[in-house]
Amino acid sequence: GAVVSQHPSWVICKSGTSVKIECRSLDFQATTMFWYRQFPKQSLMLMATSNEGSKATYEQGVEKDKFLINHASLTLSTLTVTSAHPEDSSFYICSANRLAWRETQYFGPGTRLLVL
Amino acid sequence: KQEVTQIPAALSVPEGENLVLNCSFTDSAIYNLQWFRQDPGKGLTSLLLIQSSQREQTSGRLNASLDKSSGRSTLYIAASQPGDSATYLCAVTDNYGQNFVFGPGTRLSVLP
Repeated sequence: GAVVSQHPSWVICKSGTSVKIECRSLDFQATTMFWYRQFPKQSLMLMATSNEGSKATYEQGVEKDKFLINHASLTLSTLTVTSAHPEDSSFYICSANRLAWRETQYFGPGTRLLVL
Repeated sequence: KQEVTQIPAALSVPEGENLVLNCSFTDSAIYNLQWFRQDPGKGLTSLLLIQSSQREQTSGRLNASLDKSSGRSTLYIAASQPGDSATYLCAVTDNYGQNFVFGPGTRLSVLP
């Protein structure tokens, strides 16, 4: 099966620091990876879409200079929350499309970020 | 802009009941619709995927229907169990099924 992993699963950091979250497709190549954010008791909201080797496309209202996305290979995308603040505390989930099955998207387990 | 709503927002039922969760979307030009389950603090588990050309999909005690023209989908859970307690999200996609738009979810509690 297609598996997407995220690392770390939990991270606690101090305000002002930067946090990097990795999203990996373990057994398939992903043309596109997506990053979502979920605040407590709210639904998932798409933050950005990243294609390997090109710049990410950010949704309206998402600061691209704050949420840096790097899609360096067909199996790895990273989301860096720069100068994190308590309001960035959230649940971040990534998903990936298989190279040969564009309409099938696989979701990672999520990363919970708590900024103190 | 596509908007997805879900009714009810929360539901509490005794074990064994059959129940229906509703999902509505504003733009019928979708590629597919998917139902997910999310346990507290966890990621997503895909339950059922319905392509835009399909009317329904079944998996075990779950049955999902899709009426694309009216912008509606229902998730039917038969003989509910306490282990079914979770938040159920529906999401629609466009553009080759890449960009998901999620509903707010229905929080289900099945009481033993």
